[in-house]
Amino acid sequence: EIVLTQSPGTLSLSPGERATLSCRASQSVSRSQLAWYKQKPGQAPRLLIYGASNRAAGIPDRFSGSGSGSGTDFTLTISRLEPEDFAVYYCQHYVISPWTFGQGTKVEIK
Amino acid sequence: EVQLVESGGGLVQPGRSLRLSCTASGFTFSDYAMSWFRQAPGKGLEWVGFIRSAALGGTTEFAASVKGRFTISRDDSKSIAYLQMDSLKIEDTAVYFCSRPLGWGKTENDWGQGTLVTVSS
Repeated sequence: EIVLTQSPGTLSLSPGERATLSCRASQSVSRSQLAWYKQKPGQAPRLLIYGASNRAAGIPDRFSGSGSGSGTDFTLTISRLEPEDFAVYYCQHYVISPWTFGQGTKVEIK
Repeated sequence: EVQLVESGGGLVQPGRSLRLSCTASGFTFSDYAMSWFRQAPGKGLEWVGFIRSAALGGTTEFAASVKGRFTISRDDSKSIAYLQMDSLKIEDTAVYFCSRPLGWGKTENDWGQGTLVTVSS
């Protein structure tokens, strides 16, 4: 099983600031089959990034994803936080069963 | 517009069974795998299982926590995916989401609003 570890657990930032979220995999995630989701309380998750670096349809360009050459380190960057961006973010791999999620990073208003 | 609507959740006693349905619209259901996820109260997301499309064999995979107790099936003629949950445990209490998942070259991803399953005596 691929274990995904997200850091930090909580990120306290102000609107307009840059957010950098990390997701580390216990083994290489092949073909960059790594996704990022945003979830607000009481809502279903919403896909932000697939294939490590591809924005999903309708996602603004302030969201970007990247991955290291090793296939184990991935980053979600929000260039300028908007009020609606304060939420919990999860990474997930879909390489092979079992699919797993990171434990989440909460981005909260400072 | 793609829509996924879950139904069938509710309160059930430990050891009993429950079947959830996911009714899909807005896309060619038979072309896609379907997946179930869950989220226990105050916790993170957990993958439950998926069923591949018929073109890929219609086979299923499950998380270790539910393997042998849960099954997933699909009725492509009705655009419905099912999650049959047997031998339910208290720790199965969660909001269950169905999803058109990523993978198999697909880049579209949609989720239902979720249905709450509470396992309690």
